[in-house]
Amino acid sequence: DIQLTQSPSFLSASVGDRVIITCRASQDIYSFLAWYQQKPGKAPKVLIYAASTLQSGVPSRFSGGGSGTEFTLTISNLQPEDFATYYCQQLKIYPLTFGGGTKVEIK
Amino acid sequence: EVQVLESGGGLVEWGGSLRLSCAASGFTFSSYAMNWVRQAPGKGLEWVSDINGRGDETYYADSVKGRFTISRDNSKSTLFLQMNSLRAEDTAVYYCAKRRKDGYNSDLEYWGRGTLVTVSS
Repeated sequence: DIQLTQSPSFLSASVGDRVIITCRASQDIYSFLAWYQQKPGKAPKVLIYAASTLQSGVPSRFSGGGSGTEFTLTISNLQPEDFATYYCQQLKIYPLTFGGGTKVEIK
Repeated sequence: EVQVLESGGGLVEWGGSLRLSCAASGFTFSSYAMNWVRQAPGKGLEWVSDINGRGDETYYADSVKGRFTISRDNSKSTLFLQMNSLRAEDTAVYYCAKRRKDGYNSDLEYWGRGTLVTVSS
């Protein structure tokens, strides 16, 4: 199985900050990676797919990068509604594993 | 508007069975792969199972293989998850999700609100 390691698992940031979340895969997954945002009590929603394609309707302050085994989710100019938990998911090989999540909280 | 709505969750005894359903609308159901993903209380997301549009290819997480069965009724635009031999560690919110494409490598584009399954020991 492909393991996804997200870092950090928790981060504290202020409105207006730029934050970067990293997702490392245990083997090459090309660009078959998605990022999801989940708020408490809600279903996840996709932000980025194919590693760097912004989902329709998602603000442009979200961006994704990387390929192979190293990926990033960058949130520029962090907004109050961005405080949530973020997950990466690999879509190359079954089982379709998720990273452990990164919780972004208000400093 | 794409919608997926789960139902069938509830309280079940250890070793028991439960069948989850997911009613889909707003898209051509048979043209897309569908997934189940679960989330134990206070924990992260765990992918459970995948089925292609025709319903003839299925995949499972090792943790549920041999106990859970995914299926679909394309005539009713409904996805199912039959869960047998339930264990305490199966307690979770179960989400139904539509993949962006039918076939490999696509993400989970639309998610339902989830249905809670609680296994009592």
